[in-house]
Amino acid sequence: GDSVTQMEGPVTLSEEAFLTINCTYTATGYPSLFWYVQYPGEGLQLLLKATKADDKGSNKGFEATYRKETTSFHLEKGSVQVSDSAVYFCALWSGGANSKLTFGKGITLSVRP
Amino acid sequence: DVKVTQSSRYLVKRTGEKVFLECVQDMDHENMFWYRQDPGLGLRLIYFSYDVKMKEKGDIPEGYSVSREKKERFSLILESASTNQTSMYLCASSLITRNSPLHFGNGTRLTVT
Repeated sequence: GDSVTQMEGPVTLSEEAFLTINCTYTATGYPSLFWYVQYPGEGLQLLLKATKADDKGSNKGFEATYRKETTSFHLEKGSVQVSDSAVYFCALWSGGANSKLTFGKGITLSVRP
Repeated sequence: DVKVTQSSRYLVKRTGEKVFLECVQDMDHENMFWYRQDPGLGLRLIYFSYDVKMKEKGDIPEGYSVSREKKERFSLILESASTNQTSMYLCASSLITRNSPLHFGNGTRLTVT
């Protein structure tokens, strides 16, 4: 079945540091890939997505590239801010209309001033 | 703006009680989902629905049931609450088309004593 593996956390960085959060997946066919973010006290919201190989999703300074050859979708940001402190989830959608989203376990990012 | 509303932010119930968690979306979305979120386990899908009166089991349906009598409302029911159902419950909705993002509510923190 489908699965998403995220690197172990939590991650603590200083403001303006470079961020990489690793995500790899297993899926049949050609899945779409997503990053969701959960700020404290809130539900999840879509951060970015990529729907085919070599696509790059980007939003709010975050980027992730869909790498079919390595089955990866790593999240990067060049300079993190305190406001980026949140839980980040990688996810994939592999099927048709009645398919479901498969999430990774999430990773907590804390950015200190 | 898209809005998914969960009826309670915090709920405390006793073991054996019947518990109803309500979710309403105002976006005319076909798909609705219930997840539970636990530390170290990420998000796990309980049930989802792709149309009124339709439901599909997710990964962990045991001990839960759902009801979708109207398109905008999706209820999660714990027939006889147990302490291992203490968790954060997240409702989400989406359009039925592929790659449509999920829109989440802010969650209900349920404690079963």
